[in-house]
Amino acid sequence: NAGVTQTPKFQVLKTGQSMTLQCAQDMNHEYMSWYRQDPGMGLRLIHYSVGAGITDQGEVPNGYNVSRSTTEDFPLRLLSAAPSQTSVYFCASKPGTGGGYTFGSGTRLTVV
Amino acid sequence: AQSVTQPDIHITVSEGASLELRCNYSYGATPYLFWYVQSPGQGLQLLLKYFSGDTLVQGIKGFEAEFKRSQSSFNLRKPSVHWSDAAEYFCAVGAGQGSGGYNKLIFGAGTRLAVHP
Repeated sequence: NAGVTQTPKFQVLKTGQSMTLQCAQDMNHEYMSWYRQDPGMGLRLIHYSVGAGITDQGEVPNGYNVSRSTTEDFPLRLLSAAPSQTSVYFCASKPGTGGGYTFGSGTRLTVV
Repeated sequence: AQSVTQPDIHITVSEGASLELRCNYSYGATPYLFWYVQSPGQGLQLLLKYFSGDTLVQGIKGFEAEFKRSQSSFNLRKPSVHWSDAAEYFCAVGAGQGSGGYNKLIFGAGTRLAVHP
């Protein structure tokens, strides 16, 4: 049981490049979320999903796209990377009934 | 608006001393409350959660937290700190509607705990 798996663990992008951060969970969780962590700001919600085919915006959605075609996967797409998107990104999932969110180990992204 | 405040950015305690980390929340309905711990370079691990019932909640690693509705607080405590408890601690409130009571988390800014030998 791998839990929540994020790839890659580290990534360096040039301004304007696009990329997809991958997130997969094997716990059959309905809910999945993406957060970014910046020093002194805690974790801020980017996008979340309450089931396959259903997504919604969080607190800081600009510059990011998501889709949820399967229960297991919830990729986060950066369309045109900016230095302000330099951060650590965490994916998390939880069951639809109760429970807490389980977090992945994170992706450290640097945009130069 | 929903929010979580952790008043202490850094706390330093001696090994064996007691610990209390403060958390205040702002949320209109009955809150779902959480404490997570993050070791350097790691993801977040759930320490404990409060959904309803007994206001004193026991968690992993010897931690407990007490929900006080009148003070809008959910402080984390440990009677005797170990060097391995040095980490960053995040308080969070569950928000939004969902079949599981909430669908997203709102986090505080975190408290970094240092432990002196």
